[in-house]
Amino acid sequence: DSGVTQTPKHLITATGQRVTLRCSPRSGDLSVYWYQQSLDQGLQFLIQYYNGEERAKGNILERFSAQQFPDLHSELNLSSLELGDSALYFCASSVAEGATGELFFGEGSRLTVL
Amino acid sequence: AQSVTQLGSHVSVSEGALVLLRCNYSSSVPPYLFWYVQYPNQGLQLLLKYTSAATLVKGINGFEAEFKKSETSFHLTKPSAHMSDAAEYFCAVSYTGGFKTIFGAGTRLFVKA
Repeated sequence: DSGVTQTPKHLITATGQRVTLRCSPRSGDLSVYWYQQSLDQGLQFLIQYYNGEERAKGNILERFSAQQFPDLHSELNLSSLELGDSALYFCASSVAEGATGELFFGEGSRLTVL
Repeated sequence: AQSVTQLGSHVSVSEGALVLLRCNYSSSVPPYLFWYVQYPNQGLQLLLKYTSAATLVKGINGFEAEFKKSETSFHLTKPSAHMSDAAEYFCAVSYTGGFKTIFGAGTRLFVKA
């Protein structure tokens, strides 16, 4: 158990809909990272937050947004969903602001868009 | 910009044989290098990490990796494969001052009895 909790574990929805994925980091970790894992794209970095502030953006679509709340949990919002958004979305946390330390991953939220 | 290339999307070995998973990196600054493992239906977990303290890094479950700057490589090895090693392995790179860890495409390891 990494200590990172993601909900929901599975989500099935239709094209055009909006979903929210939630992540609770390990106790004491201030950084939260979101990654998308798909068969054709591999593990793609989406966005990172540190103590509520956005620190880095990767290949995140404009239809996607995220935030980190004062209690340090984070949410990833995916809107106007397309079939290609079907993937496993991972949240990871670390204690440091920078990316030189170990990332602790949750078990992921599997999104299926029909 | 940092990048990682993992050679071979699938590797198959016999139980007891040497495991060698290849990773080459590209970084304009001294890198931090990682190997993570992902078991089915689980998140990734750290196997080992290179931070410039020593070129040969030992990790969990008998794995080790050697940093070779001249070859820009960080290959993962294990002398004797076990059935429980069957999983997907990811090489990753980051650097001091950076905010993201970049992952390779992954190598799925199959272990035959």
